[in-house]
Amino acid sequence: EAQVTQNPRYLITVTGKKLTVTCSQNMNHEYMSWYRQDPGLGLRQIYYSMNVEVTDKGDVPEGYKVSRKEKRNFPLILESPSPNQTSLYFCASSRTWEPGPRGNIQYFGAGTRLSVL
Amino acid sequence: GESVGLHLPTLSVQEGDNSIINCAYSNSASDYFIWYKQESGKGPQFIIDIRSNMDKRQGQRVTVLLNKTVKHLSLQIAATQPGDSAVYFCAETPEEGAQKLVFGQGTRLTINP
Repeated sequence: EAQVTQNPRYLITVTGKKLTVTCSQNMNHEYMSWYRQDPGLGLRQIYYSMNVEVTDKGDVPEGYKVSRKEKRNFPLILESPSPNQTSLYFCASSRTWEPGPRGNIQYFGAGTRLSVL
Repeated sequence: GESVGLHLPTLSVQEGDNSIINCAYSNSASDYFIWYKQESGKGPQFIIDIRSNMDKRQGQRVTVLLNKTVKHLSLQIAATQPGDSAVYFCAETPEEGAQKLVFGQGTRLTINP
């Protein structure tokens, strides 16, 4: 089954304790992205990756890191989490980033709900 | 600046009626638009997309209309069913070649029996 898998689904942590949220896709997609979703603000892009070893900042990258060492995996790293990073996080992937027939339709994981105390 | 917004945060319709969800965008250079559906506890799911060189596209029970003159996008759902209850997001590629989607805030669609 084609899917984007995030882990963990729920996480409660304390300020300053480093954490990693994993994301894996089995569709051989080139493009991957992380979003955070907050009430009234919709989905905002944190980081994205066009392909292996190619990453770039989205709209709200502060406090986050990513890596793309393999095509299927795109972990989100919070080196020193703070309470304002409490949010619902989504990983997404798309076949490529070319406007056209289904090229850049993003497929989303089920989400990771993070609480930073 | 680039922004995608929605006219109404909530919409209630009777089961069997047609639903229309609206979305305004501010960037006239926006090239590509997508509608997503997000059910409770799940990630957004692709519904339908449209390029800026089109004004209408139809899928199964859904139609997207694009009015570039007034920078307005709408999603029409025919014969709304209980399973259509969800939050609907419009998203845009703010300009050709831009490597991201900008999402609106979402509209919650509620179906009344």
